[in-house]
Amino acid sequence: GAVVSQHPSRVICKSGTSVKIECRSLDFQATTMFWYRQFPKQSLMLMATSNEGSKATYEQGVEKDKFLINHASLTLSTLTVTSAHPEDSSFYICSALRQGAADTQYFGPGTRLTVL
Amino acid sequence: LAKTTQPISMDSYEGQEVNITCSHNNIATNDYITWYQQFPSQGPRFIIQGYKTKVTNEVASLFIPADRKSSTLSLPRVSLSDTAVYYCLVRSQGNLIFGKGTKLSVKP
Repeated sequence: GAVVSQHPSRVICKSGTSVKIECRSLDFQATTMFWYRQFPKQSLMLMATSNEGSKATYEQGVEKDKFLINHASLTLSTLTVTSAHPEDSSFYICSALRQGAADTQYFGPGTRLTVL
Repeated sequence: LAKTTQPISMDSYEGQEVNITCSHNNIATNDYITWYQQFPSQGPRFIIQGYKTKVTNEVASLFIPADRKSSTLSLPRVSLSDTAVYYCLVRSQGNLIFGKGTKLSVKP
């Protein structure tokens, strides 16, 4: 299967600071990547769709100025949580879309964000 | 907009076959149905993907009826390491929709 990495795997920060999470597709190019967040014992919630070379598309209720997404290349997308607050603490997971006969999402290992 | 429904949890014993069904009405006619496995504090892992009828790979089978209003993930001879949450993923009206997940517990 395709490999997607995320960095960092875990981050603890103080309230008010910004945190950047990187998502890389290691063995294929991804025009489209996705960012999800997951709360304990819940399903994944799509936050935004990241498109290489264009602006990200955010889901309803997701603040685009708070969750900045940059799709710098065909293998890298970044999510920056700006002015983080404790309620932003969550498990953030990215996926990269490998296009073909069937478009398939491959997920990164996730990033655990804890805001103190 | 499609809504997906999966059983919240299932119990099984080692060596048994487990079938998990996801109901999904009104999905896109030309999109695939994908199933993922997720362990705690990890990203979902791709299991299998299909469009219609039956698909089989080295770890699972996927059965999709002609009306595509449901799909069934079949895990043959489960082991303790198959204890995880299983999600179906479909697309409807351009929106990606994850099921709420089925927590499978495999007992010795």
